[in-house]
Parts: sequence; C-alpha cells; structure tokens
Amino acid sequence: EAGVVQSPRYKIIEKKQPVAFWCNPISGHNTLYWYLQNLGQGPELLIRYENEEAVDDSQLPKDRFSAERLKGVDSTLKIQPAELGDSAVYLCASSSHLGTEAFFGQGTRLTVV
Amino acid sequence: GENVEQHPSTLSVQEGDSAVIKCTYSDSASNYFPWYKQELGKRPQLIIDIRSNVGEKKDQRIAVTLNKTAKHFSLHITETQPEDSAVYFCAAFYGKLTFGQGTILTVHP
Repeated sequence: EAGVVQSPRYKIIEKKQPVAFWCNPISGHNTLYWYLQNLGQGPELLIRYENEEAVDDSQLPKDRFSAERLKGVDSTLKIQPAELGDSAVYLCASSSHLGTEAFFGQGTRLTVV
Repeated sequence: GENVEQHPSTLSVQEGDSAVIKCTYSDSASNYFPWYKQELGKRPQLIIDIRSNVGEKKDQRIAVTLNKTAKHFSLHITETQPEDSAVYFCAAFYGKLTFGQGTILTVHP
C-alpha cells in the first residue's frame, strides 16, 4: 500500500513570494489533515477535510493561507504571500475515517528567506 | 478546545532501562489516544494507540495506560534499545487530533 505522498520535500523561497504544497493521501482515505510542525514542537492542525469538505479550518490563517481538496482526493495548501515566520515543516496526513490512525507524509520543509 | 500537555520534554536512559512518558488532556470527550514516534527528518509514525473504553494496551516492549478519571495517559517502553531514540508525541482525539509538545528520548548504549 502506497503511503501519503507529499511534494516537494524541500522548498526555499523569498518572503512575499507564493508557495504551494501538494498531498496525495492513501487511496480510500476520507479524512485529510494539514499540520504545521515547528522545530522541536508537536504538529499543529491547520485544516481537516472530510472528503472534499473543509470541516475544521479554525487554525488556518486565512489572510494568507488557502487549501483545497479537489474531488476528495489530492489536496493543495497555498501560502501567499509567505512570511519569514512561515518557515516550518508542513505535514499532510490521512485516515480512513475520523478517529482512526492518521498516516503522515514525509512533509515539506519550507524555508522563507 | 483540547489541550495536551506532555512530560518530560527530554528523557535520557541507559540501554535496558524502562522509559515512561506522561500526557494529560483537558477535554473529557476525547476518546482516542495515539502515540507517534518521529525520527530526525522523518515522518511521525504510529507506535501504539488506545481508545477510551480500554485502560491498558500492550504491544511487545511498548504499553500505554489510560486513566479517564484523571485525564492522563502514559507510554511505557521496557528494555529500551538505542534504536528507540527519537521524539515521541502523544495525541488526543475529539473531532481532531491534538498533539503534545513531544519528548526527546535518548537511549545510551
């Protein structure tokens, strides 16, 4: 079984530039999460999808962050414009149903300079 | 919302010793408690989980206990090995997974 796939693995951009991350969850998984992980800290939820519907985006900074999950499968997370403080690892995870094991992707390490 | 506190932040043990990591949660409605292991530069991976209708679960050298009344749960690793060295995260689920801050476990040979 293929795991959660994220791309790119690493991204370096200048501040004020846009950036996008892509996530392909495990086939058949209805629930998809985007987490932000700062160095030395636990993952923090940005947004959760149930199929194509964003059901929890209370922690997503909507002035600069946006996300979509087309057809309830792949998802993209976008930041525009990026700020220095956005430097972190962005993790995507999926689970078959709410409240079951969440499988994580390798993450995208974003560096904003 | 849910708040998860994890202690200690760092833990150093000798190979063969036991290691215990403790977490408390705030929302009594939380009903699923996974533990993740994250090695440097890698993804978090589930090592064990427990649901609120169970008090203890064991898988070889790893065990988790849950005290719903006190709202805390613990990870126990026995006979630690150097390859157990990693960051361990607890989490609590009620509608969404909320993670603790992590424990850096170092097992010295």
